[in-house]
Amino acid sequence: QTVVTQEPSLTVSPGGTVTLTCASSTGAVTSGYYPNWFQQKLGQAPRALIYSTNNKHSWTPARFSGSLLGGKAALTLSGALREDEADYYCLLYQGGTWVFGGGTKLTVL
Amino acid sequence: QVQLQESGPGLVKPSETLSLTCTVSSASISKYYWSWIRQPPGKGLEWLGYISNTGSTNYNPSLKSRVTVSLDTSKTHFSLKLNSVSAADTAVYYCAGSPGAGRYFDYWGQGILVTVSS
Repeated sequence: QTVVTQEPSLTVSPGGTVTLTCASSTGAVTSGYYPNWFQQKLGQAPRALIYSTNNKHSWTPARFSGSLLGGKAALTLSGALREDEADYYCLLYQGGTWVFGGGTKLTVL
Repeated sequence: QVQLQESGPGLVKPSETLSLTCTVSSASISKYYWSWIRQPPGKGLEWLGYISNTGSTNYNPSLKSRVTVSLDTSKTHFSLKLNSVSAADTAVYYCAGSPGAGRYFDYWGQGILVTVSS
């Protein structure tokens, strides 16, 4: 089965910029994988941030953006706030099924 | 605002069937795309399966023989059944829904912890 890989952990300074990535074991991630990104804070349900590579929901803060970067899906956070400290998961669509990445624990420090 | 709420037993015995319901409000059950996702304690998310607005289903290959997602269009809920459970199926189970057309996981329930234990 496809394995989706994310950085286990990243740290960003308040006000800084960080990029999280999402790679597929089957090769380069394209828009056809419909990359989704989710934020999950401790004890809460995941919250959708990005769908279909780079589309934001109405509730997604403007400081988050999605893209494709070097064969991977990417989530960029520009101007990090302490409240952005959370786990972030990507999700890819492959062969009719969806596969989550292992998640990135983002620390804002 | 679309709201989802999971319900069902919090404790299931090994080898039995786990059955959960997701009650939907402020959305047409027959027009959305509905999924189940789970998260073992302290671990990541795992997609279990979906049912589309046309009634088609697809499941995680690692669980395919054990999992069923169904829709009750006469009411306002959809369901998950997972057969032959073991301790490895202990997790928080989430339901999620979306209008489709590129959007598949907009709205999530708060999750329900299901423990498999005798």
